[in-house]
Amino acid sequence: QSALTQPPSASGSPGQSVTISCTGTSSDVGGYNFVSWYQQHPGKAPKLMIYEVSKRPSGVPDRFSGSKSGNTASLTISGLQAEDEADYYCSSYAGSNNFVFGVGTEVTVL
Amino acid sequence: EVQLVESGGGLVQPGRSLRLSCAASGFNFDNYAMHWVRQAPGKGLKWVSGISWNTGTIAYADSVRGRFTISRDNAKDSLYLQINSLRAEDTALYYCAKDWYSAIRSPDYWGQGTPVTVSS
Repeated sequence: QSALTQPPSASGSPGQSVTISCTGTSSDVGGYNFVSWYQQHPGKAPKLMIYEVSKRPSGVPDRFSGSKSGNTASLTISGLQAEDEADYYCSSYAGSNNFVFGVGTEVTVL
Repeated sequence: EVQLVESGGGLVQPGRSLRLSCAASGFNFDNYAMHWVRQAPGKGLKWVSGISWNTGTIAYADSVRGRFTISRDNAKDSLYLQINSLRAEDTALYYCAKDWYSAIRSPDYWGQGTPVTVSS
């Protein structure tokens, strides 16, 4: 149950796009389409932004999109806004009823 | 509106036990799997345990298996986590989270967390 690999930080100017990667193995990210992404502002609970690789829950702006290729999933934030500054975590079902999170990425809006 | 309210956290001495509770409302609790996730101060999210809608499937992270016990009472719309032999490394904010599915797949809604501090 090793944590999924994410870059520690990412940044962009308002209006730009930023993409965060999430690398696992064929036993988690690569083996299942149960990859999710969460946004967490300081002192707040995580909020689901993407589930099943690329699906957006109701209320999540379409600026947020997800994809997957092999053992790596990605979250792209287009048209970056100040309120997007937060920590982002990926997660994946890992088989045999196990579940794993990524180490987290701090997104900064310059 | 989905609401998850955790309780039961606090300051505990090493080696002691604690029982966390999560009261759910705003959805059909007995239709969904549930999770416990923890976050140590300044650190990332760590999945702790999950339980399917009917308690048929229960799973734990390797780091807590044997010390933690997850359970649920669908009649009371409640989720629990029994933590035994507490260690300093168990210090964290413990979140209760609802899955979007009946089996363990992926959390969608989260509570605000209950803090657990293990210290003598």
